[in-house]
Formats: sequence, structure tokens, C-alpha cells
Amino acid sequence: GNSVTQMEGPVTLSEEAFLTINCTYTATGYPSLFWYVQYPGEGLQLLLKATKADDKGSNKGFEATYRKETTSFHLEKGSVQVSDSAVYFCALTIRGGSNYKLTFGKGTLLTVNP
Amino acid sequence: DGGITQSPKYLFRKEGQNVTLSCEQNLNHDAMYWYRQDPGQGLRLIYYSQIVNDFQKGDIAEGYSVSREKKESFPLTVTSAQKNPTAFYLCASSMGDGHYTQYFGPGTRLTVL
Repeated sequence: GNSVTQMEGPVTLSEEAFLTINCTYTATGYPSLFWYVQYPGEGLQLLLKATKADDKGSNKGFEATYRKETTSFHLEKGSVQVSDSAVYFCALTIRGGSNYKLTFGKGTLLTVNP
Repeated sequence: DGGITQSPKYLFRKEGQNVTLSCEQNLNHDAMYWYRQDPGQGLRLIYYSQIVNDFQKGDIAEGYSVSREKKESFPLTVTSAQKNPTAFYLCASSMGDGHYTQYFGPGTRLTVL
């Protein structure tokens, strides 16, 4: 089956620190990979995505590269801000699958202190 | 503005009562989904629909029901058969037809008293 494993949180950083949140996956078929962000009490917002190996998704200073050889999609940001405090979810869906179902990791809580 | 709306934002229910959560989208998306989120957990798929008048069970469909009579609407009913219904419920949609990115609504928090 398909699964996503994220580093366990919580992650606490100071403002302007470098962020890495690890994400690895197992998949039957050809996955597309996503990072979503959830602010307290809200729904999920798409942060970035990548649809094939070696693609780099980027948005709002966040980046992640689809690494097929290591089955990974680690999220990085060079300088975090207090406003980046949220829960981050890594997810995959199988291209050509019958239902476009998203499989999620359990989420990583990030807290950025001023 | 295009988007997904869910109502109400907070919902309280007594044990033994059915309750229906609303999900509407004006993105002209073919596919719609319902997920459940529990504290410290990822999201789990309840039901999904790829076209009007058709829907499929997800991973945790027991105790839930849905309908898809209109493209824009995908209501979820939490029945009294759902043993642990207190959770955060999220609706999502995607274009379908090979377009996989899902977009989420703001969610409904259901509490059973």
C-alpha cells in the first residue's frame, strides 16, 4: 500500500532559523507529492507540489524536491518567520489511480519564536 | 471568489442524533472528498465522489453517508451508528480527469455531547 512518514514534532525554532521537515514515502505506482499547511482552527492550504522525479516545488520561500532514489520529499525554508507557525502535512496521490485519494503523513507542528 | 465553503464551523450534537455537514464548491471541480482529522493524526478519507450521482467509500466510511445530487454540493451525514464522531471534518475538491491537486474547505468541528 501507500504510506507517508514525517518527522515527529513538535519542532521549535527561532525566527530566521533554517527549517527542514523530513518526509519519506512508499507508493505503488507513480506518486505526485504535496505539502499542505494548516493554521490553528483552519482547513488545509496547498503549500507546494511536485509531480515527477527531480521536480522542485516552491512557494513563499518553502521548497521541496521529489527524490525518487531516496523516496523523499523534504520541506525546507532558509529563514522562518513567526507567521510560519503551523502544522505541516506531507501527502501523496497516485497518478493514474482510480480515485485520486490523498495519503497523508501525521503532520509536524512547527512553532517559531521571535 | 472561487472556493470551498463548509458550514457550520462548529456543530454540537447529542448522542443518538444524525447530523449533516454542508460542503459547497464553485470551482467547477468534478471530484469531491470528505476527510476526518483527529488530534495529532493525519487525515483519513471517509467518502469521495468523482462525478454527480456517484460516490465511493473511503477508508473509514462506517457510520457516515453522503449524496452527490449536484456538482457543487457534497453533504456528509454523520449517523448515530458512528461510534466516535467528535472530530474535525474537512471537505476537499479537485478537477478530476487526471488533475490530482485537492483544495480544502475551512472545516467543521463536530462535538458530540
